[in-house]
Amino acid sequence: DVKVTQSSRYLVKRTGEKVFLECVQDMDHENMFWYRQDPGLGLRLIYFSYDVKMKEKGDIPEGYSVSREKKERFSLILESASTNQTSMYLCASRGWGNNQPQHFGDGTRLSIL
Amino acid sequence: GQQVMQIPQYQHVQEGEDFTTYCNSSTTLSNIQWYKQRPGGHPVFLIQLVKSGEVKKQKRLTFQFGEAKKNSSLHITATQTTDVGTYFCAGSSGAGSYQLTFGKGTKLSVIP
Repeated sequence: DVKVTQSSRYLVKRTGEKVFLECVQDMDHENMFWYRQDPGLGLRLIYFSYDVKMKEKGDIPEGYSVSREKKERFSLILESASTNQTSMYLCASRGWGNNQPQHFGDGTRLSIL
Repeated sequence: GQQVMQIPQYQHVQEGEDFTTYCNSSTTLSNIQWYKQRPGGHPVFLIQLVKSGEVKKQKRLTFQFGEAKKNSSLHITATQTTDVGTYFCAGSSGAGSYQLTFGKGTKLSVIP
């Protein structure tokens, strides 16, 4: 079974802090994704990566950056956290080809105070 | 950009009643995937549809892909309390596309 592990289930940070969310997958998947999930808005794509050191903006990249130095790890960075970034963050990975399913981690519920 | 609309946003049914959620895309899709998210959980892949007019079944769940490949539906027959959760459709626009565009989901509540 594919395992996607997110480093924290719950996280509380302060406004202005730099926040790192980590995601690791164990299936040698090329593609990895970061989403945020908010009530009534569904899943919105922040960034994705199709290879090591490669990244592409999703629908809502503002205020975020990402890093993919190793194939198994995809990090989401909040450069200067703001209260409107309080949300559930979901990481996903997928094998090559857009007909492959996405496998999600358990999510990180991030609160910015 | 591609948009995927999903209705209804919420559905409350009595246990044993049927349930349907619908997805409509602004563009022709190469495939559509369906996911289920249990309360407190993460989305889990259910199925993928690829062919025009395709119908697939998983026990009490029936998935359809429209002839024009712009709409899809998920129908659950005789709902059970274990069906509770949010159902998402997600569409992909082409072979070269990395992204899935998710609908906003339909949250299903089942009253015992």
